[in-house]
Amino acid sequence: DSGVTQTPKHLITATGQRVTLRCSPRSGDLSVYWYQQSLDQGLQFLIQYYNGEERAKGNILERFSAQQFPDLHSELNLSSLELGDSALYFCASSETGLAGVNEQFFGPGTRLTVL
Amino acid sequence: AQSVTQPDIHITVSEGASLELRCNYSYGATPYLFWYVQSPGQGLQLLLKYFSGDTLVQGIKGFEAEFKRSQSSFNLRKPSVHWSDAAEYFCAVRGRAGNMLTFGGGTRLMVKP
Repeated sequence: DSGVTQTPKHLITATGQRVTLRCSPRSGDLSVYWYQQSLDQGLQFLIQYYNGEERAKGNILERFSAQQFPDLHSELNLSSLELGDSALYFCASSETGLAGVNEQFFGPGTRLTVL
Repeated sequence: AQSVTQPDIHITVSEGASLELRCNYSYGATPYLFWYVQSPGQGLQLLLKYFSGDTLVQGIKGFEAEFKRSQSSFNLRKPSVHWSDAAEYFCAVRGRAGNMLTFGGGTRLMVKP
């Protein structure tokens, strides 16, 4: 158990809908990262937040957005869902968001299925 | 841009045999290097990491990896594989100035009894 929690574990929805994925980082970690794992694209970095502020952006679609709240939990919002958005979405956390020696610890993931 | 290649998509070994999973990276300088394991239905667990210093790093579950700068490689090894090692293994790199991990495509390990 990494200490990173994600809810829900599974999510099934229809095309065009909007969903919210939630992540709670390890106690004391200030930085949260979101990754997408799909059969087509493999594991891809989406976005990073550090202490409430966006720190880095990767291959995140405009239909997707994220935020980190004062209690440091994070939410990833996916809207206008398409079949291709079906994937496993991981959240990771690290102690700092700064460059340097810090490890990312991954949650169990949320499996999103878009029908 | 940084990239990671894991040339072997699938590998099957017999229980008790040795294992080597290959990882090659592309990065302008020496990156931070990681190996993660993903068991079915599970998240990613960090096996080991290389930041600097000794190029042979030890990890959990009896795994080790060797950083070879001249070959841009960070291969994962285990002297004797157990059935519980069957999983998918991912090599990842992170630049020293950034935070995002770039993952390879993964190698699925199957263990024969």
